[in-house]
Amino acid sequence: EVQLVESGGGLIQPGGSLRVSCAAAGFSVSSNYMSWVRQAPGKGLDWVSVIYSDGSTAYADSVKGRFTISRDNSKNTLYLQMNSLRAEDTAVYYCARARVPDAMGMDVWGQGTTVTVSS
Amino acid sequence: DIQMTQSPSTLSASVGDRVTITCRASQSVVSWLAWYQQKPGKAPKVLVYKASSLESGVPSRFSGSGSGTEFTLTISSLQPDDFATYYCQQYNSYPWTFGQGTKVEIK
Repeated sequence: EVQLVESGGGLIQPGGSLRVSCAAAGFSVSSNYMSWVRQAPGKGLDWVSVIYSDGSTAYADSVKGRFTISRDNSKNTLYLQMNSLRAEDTAVYYCARARVPDAMGMDVWGQGTTVTVSS
Repeated sequence: DIQMTQSPSTLSASVGDRVTITCRASQSVVSWLAWYQQKPGKAPKVLVYKASSLESGVPSRFSGSGSGTEFTLTISSLQPDDFATYYCQQYNSYPWTFGQGTKVEIK
């Protein structure tokens, strides 16, 4: 079965760091574009970052320089390292497979992991 | 950045109604546009990609159209399971951007 399972969310103080993970099953993260999308409480969807199959990356301006997307091919897992966290980073973080090379959208999503930035 | 603007923000409709949601881009995204459905507490689900291609398994009452800067998502006959929030998203250029969402409510 094709699925994504996020983990690692939690409560973190402003200025702190946190790494969230996304374990994939049924397909290879290294062969696909993989993305992170977040949703603040009561708000809409907000794209965060993407990693290409060749390892290239792109980020939203709001997280550039603070967040890093990466993957561990041996564990078939995607990561988002978040540094210098701010209150406005509080959100549910979703990972998704982005089938952009096939001109398709984000077709597989995890259940989300909640990150709360607060003192 | 490309701004995506959806209208309306909220839509009240009855079962069986034909529903149309519009998404406008601040500059051309060609046909690199997807539509998602999201229910409370759940992850989004892709309905349409490349503006008008229906994702496998999505009911045929959903359809997408448009190109360039103006797009529509149409539900031909609204069903009880369709009450949700809908988002458009462009993937023509970075940063990828979403519309603000359209909530479809029961009338």
